[in-house]
Amino acid sequence: NAGVTQTPKFRVLKTGQSMTLLCAQDMNHEYMYWYRQDPGMGLRLIHYSVGEGTTAKGEVPDGYNVSRLKKQNFLLGLESAAPSQTSVYFCASSSRLAGDEQFFGPGTRLTVL
Amino acid sequence: SQQGEEDPQALSIQEGENATMNCSYKTSINNLQWYRQNSGRGLVHLILIRSNEREKHSGRLRVTLDTSKKSSSLLITASRAADTASYFCATAGLNSGGSNYKLTFGKGTLLTVNP
Repeated sequence: NAGVTQTPKFRVLKTGQSMTLLCAQDMNHEYMYWYRQDPGMGLRLIHYSVGEGTTAKGEVPDGYNVSRLKKQNFLLGLESAAPSQTSVYFCASSSRLAGDEQFFGPGTRLTVL
Repeated sequence: SQQGEEDPQALSIQEGENATMNCSYKTSINNLQWYRQNSGRGLVHLILIRSNEREKHSGRLRVTLDTSKKSSSLLITASRAADTASYFCATAGLNSGGSNYKLTFGKGTLLTVNP
């Protein structure tokens, strides 16, 4: 049981490049989330999903897109990366049956030059 | 905007002492949760307290919730060097589309426990 995994762990992009971050969970959770964490800002919700095929905007969605084609996977895309998107990205999942706590992945450290 | 605000921003104590962190929030909640983050790692859930509860214990952790003051505190007793981490409170609001699956995190308290 791996929990929540994220790929890749580190990435450096140039401004304007695109990339996709992959999140996978093996706990059969309905809900999945993408957060970004910046120094002094805590965690901010980018997008979330309440089930396969559904996504919704969080607090800071601009510049990001997401897809949830399979229940266990949640993808975060950056179509044209900007230096302001330099951050640590965390994926999380949860289930009402599990008591509402969220389970986090190890994070992806992204630098945009 | 951030819902929870932790206080203090940083706390340094000696091993064996107790550590108390506070969290204030602005709107009505369904539950409040505390998470720990070790440097460079993901967040780990510590404890959840529901809006109709006033106090909860888990091992060396004690959480209180005062909904009239919109505040919570996390007490870690007999601290250890391994407790060194950032601690975040997170609130699940009542207006999250009828569900409490969305959390809003505070900025965290950095706890340093010196051996």
